[in-house]
Amino acid sequence: KQEVTQIPAALSVPEGENLVLNCSFTDSAIYNLQWFRQDPGKGLTSLLLIQSSQREQTSGRLNASLDKSSGRSTLYIAASQPGDSATYLCAVNGLKAAGNKLTFGGGTRVLVKP
Amino acid sequence: KAGVTQTPRYLIKTRGQQVTLSCSPISGHRSVSWYQQTPGQGLQFLFEYFSETQRNKGNFPGRFSGRQFSNSRSEMNVSTLELGDSALYLCASSLGLEGAGYTFGSGTRLTVV
Repeated sequence: KQEVTQIPAALSVPEGENLVLNCSFTDSAIYNLQWFRQDPGKGLTSLLLIQSSQREQTSGRLNASLDKSSGRSTLYIAASQPGDSATYLCAVNGLKAAGNKLTFGGGTRVLVKP
Repeated sequence: KAGVTQTPRYLIKTRGQQVTLSCSPISGHRSVSWYQQTPGQGLQFLFEYFSETQRNKGNFPGRFSGRQFSNSRSEMNVSTLELGDSALYLCASSLGLEGAGYTFGSGTRLTVV
């Protein structure tokens, strides 16, 4: 059974500092891994999708890496801003499930202080 | 293009009642998945529908059911509501192909009193 873990559960940084968010998963048989952002009481906004054959994906200040063999992904957010304050979730789409199914980590709650 | 639309945004129901939630996926997407989010359990997979067929199911009691229509719109039904069903219910839209990503709706906040 796939398990996804995100550590730390919460993170507070001053504005301008780079953010490093970690995600680990137990089963490397995956199609892809997706990073989401969630603001309080809202739905999920997709940030980056990394296919199992890729090592990283970039979008603006965001960069996500994937090491499938070790079961790890890292989301880097450069030069953080107060608007980056949110909960960040990683989700794995596993190969072994019938159809498609995302398994989520518990999320990392980020606070960027002005 | 239009995103994923979930209705209603908020619902308050009494224990024992039933509720139906609706999700309209992105045009051209044939897969709709449903997730429950609670503070204690996080995000949990309920089920996935693809071309009107349930393709995958999570570990929830039979009180939770769903269906998908020919236009890919999906409904989720919860019968005999319990207090523990209070949650944010999220719908995700996808092409349904291997490796396809997901786009989520804004969710329906269900409160059972």
